[in-house]
Amino acid sequence: NAGVTQTPKFQVLKTGQSMTLQCAQDMNHNSMYWYRQDPGMGLRLIYYSASEGTTDKGEVPNGYNVSRLNKREFSLRLESAAPSQTSVYFCASNRQVPYEQYFGPGTRLTVT
Amino acid sequence: GQQVMQIPQYQHVQEGEDFTTYCNSSTTLSNIQWYKQRPGGHPVFLIQLVKSGEVKKQKRLTFQFGEAKKNSSLHITATQTTDVGTYFCAGRKDFSGGYQKVTFGIGTKLQVIP
Repeated sequence: NAGVTQTPKFQVLKTGQSMTLQCAQDMNHNSMYWYRQDPGMGLRLIYYSASEGTTDKGEVPNGYNVSRLNKREFSLRLESAAPSQTSVYFCASNRQVPYEQYFGPGTRLTVT
Repeated sequence: GQQVMQIPQYQHVQEGEDFTTYCNSSTTLSNIQWYKQRPGGHPVFLIQLVKSGEVKKQKRLTFQFGEAKKNSSLHITATQTTDVGTYFCAGRKDFSGGYQKVTFGIGTKLQVIP
């Protein structure tokens, strides 16, 4: 099992550019999440998907969109990148019983 | 809104000393989770506490969930250099209709001096 994979690992964008961060899990989990991590602010939930076909906003959804393409894949799109979106982005999935959450390796995004 | 405060933000200990980090939520939680993140790495799930007053142990790590389900602690006995990293708590509140709110603490960065 690869667990949770994310692409790309690093990305530099100019303000206004768009991009999609990809995430996939091979553990047959229903729930998937996107977080961003900024220094001094911990992790903040952007969007989550409790199951295939459903998505819900988290704490900081503005400027982002998501797609739960199928049970395996959950992508995060930045339509018009802004410097405030410079961050490390983590995708995660979890199993319910027993509960355990698995994080991907992260995408380090810089917007100039 | 829901807030989860975590203290201390930084802790330096001599190897062999004990370490504790505390989380306090402004609201009653459905459960609380703990994670460890090594420098440059991703968060790794340690445990989830669900029941009021719950205490769980993993070798030298002891996790507690308060009676009111608003606070939690992680205690490490006799720290080792392998314990270095940032420890996060994450408070989760479930609402009707499947909506959930997860709030992470700011994390406690632990340095262990050999």
